[in-house]
Amino acid sequence: QKEVEQNSGPLSVPEGAIASLNCTYSDRGSQSFFWYRQYSGKSPELIMSIYSNGDKEDGRFTAQLNKASQYVSLLIRDSQPSDSATYLCAVNIRRDDKIIFGKGTRLHILP
Amino acid sequence: DGGITQSPKYLFRKEGQNVTLSCEQNLNHDAMYWYRQDPGQGLRLIYYSQIVNDFQKGDIAEGYSVSREKKESFPLTVTSAQKNPTAFYLCASRGGRGATDTQYFGPGTRLTVL
Repeated sequence: QKEVEQNSGPLSVPEGAIASLNCTYSDRGSQSFFWYRQYSGKSPELIMSIYSNGDKEDGRFTAQLNKASQYVSLLIRDSQPSDSATYLCAVNIRRDDKIIFGKGTRLHILP
Repeated sequence: DGGITQSPKYLFRKEGQNVTLSCEQNLNHDAMYWYRQDPGQGLRLIYYSQIVNDFQKGDIAEGYSVSREKKESFPLTVTSAQKNPTAFYLCASRGGRGATDTQYFGPGTRLTVL
C-alpha cells in the first residue's frame, strides 16, 4: 500500500488562475505535512508545512489539512509561469521518524 | 552561511568502481538522509541516520554504504554492487526527533556511470 499518493500530472493551469494540488496519505498517526517545490534538475525546496487541521496561508500559497480524510492540499493563487515545477507532498511517519515523499505532481502554468 | 553542501555536483564513474558522495551540514541537525531520484520519479530513501554512529537502511539500500562518524557529515558510497547507479543523489538533514522538524535538502550530486 502506497503511503503518500499524488496525481503525477501534468496539471496545466492558465496564468493568473488557482492551481490545486492534492495528496492523500495512509498513516492515521501522521502529524506533520510538507509541500516542496522542485524545479527540473534542482533539489526540492520547502514551500509550506502544516500540522493542524484547517488552512495555513503564506503569500500566494495555502495548505489545507484534513486528518479525518487523510488529505492534504496546496493551493497556489494567481499562478505565475515561475510556479511551473514538480510539487512533492511529504508526510512524517511517526513510527520511525522518517518523512515519506509522494512521487510529485508536475504543474505547468500556461502563459 | 548555514546549509547543506554536497560534492561534487557532477560525477562520472566507470562500471565496477566504487565512488563516495560527500554531504556536510552546519545546521547542527541530528538526522541526515540520502535519497535517490531517477528521471521523472519520486525520491527513494537509501539510508538515514538519526544520531552519530548509528544509521538505518531505507527502501533501496542494496549496493550502497554509509558512515556517520561526525554529526556534520554523512558520506554515501555507491559500490560496484549497485546495478544501476546513474541517478540524482540528494542529501537532506533534519533537526532531530519530533514531528515538527522540517527536512532540508542539499543541492544534489548527479552521478553518471559510463
